[in-house]
Amino acid sequence: GAVVSQHPSRVICKSGTSVKIECRSLDFQATTMFWYRQFPKQSLMLMATSNEGSKATYEQGVEKDKFLINHASLTLSTLTVTSAHPEDSSFYICSAAGTANTEAFFGQGTRLTVV
Amino acid sequence: KNQVEQSPQSLIILEGKNCTLQCNYTVSPFSNLRWYKQDTGRGPVSLTIMTFSENTKSNGRYTATLDADTKQSSLHITASQLSDSASYICVVNGGNQFYFGTGTSLTVIP
Repeated sequence: GAVVSQHPSRVICKSGTSVKIECRSLDFQATTMFWYRQFPKQSLMLMATSNEGSKATYEQGVEKDKFLINHASLTLSTLTVTSAHPEDSSFYICSAAGTANTEAFFGQGTRLTVV
Repeated sequence: KNQVEQSPQSLIILEGKNCTLQCNYTVSPFSNLRWYKQDTGRGPVSLTIMTFSENTKSNGRYTATLDADTKQSSLHITASQLSDSASYICVVNGGNQFYFGTGTSLTVIP
């Protein structure tokens, strides 16, 4: 199956700093990428959907100025958590869908800890 | 409203026993339905994909069923193993959108 690589897998940062998470589709062109966060023992919560070359669509309650999403190419999307706070500590997962948009492939996830 | 509901929310079973997880959806139009397994701290991994015309599909000890008329799917796990402990997520694709269930947390105990 298709491969989606997410980096880093773990990151610890200080409060007030920004953290960038990358999501790459390694063997297909991802026209759409999705970003999720997941708190312990809870399901995935969709944060935003991004299509290559256009602005991301954010879910209700997700601050677009805090969670910056860039999808500048068909193989790379980034999520930047700006001015991170301890409550932003979570598991962030991306998924990518190709042109047919009938299947989403997930990255391995990024464990963010803000101290 | 397009929704995907899974049950039970959590489940604990003894090693070696079978179990069945349920997924009901109201998504329309419907393209396909996938079951994912998510280990703690990992991204979800696809187990099976079901299209409109498929009723049953197996992947080792995992068997998924789909009733497109009643909009129900199930995931049956046979002879459970400790490594089956994970969250199982049902995802329905329709109208170029993905709709996620809240997942079932399965714990297999020795």
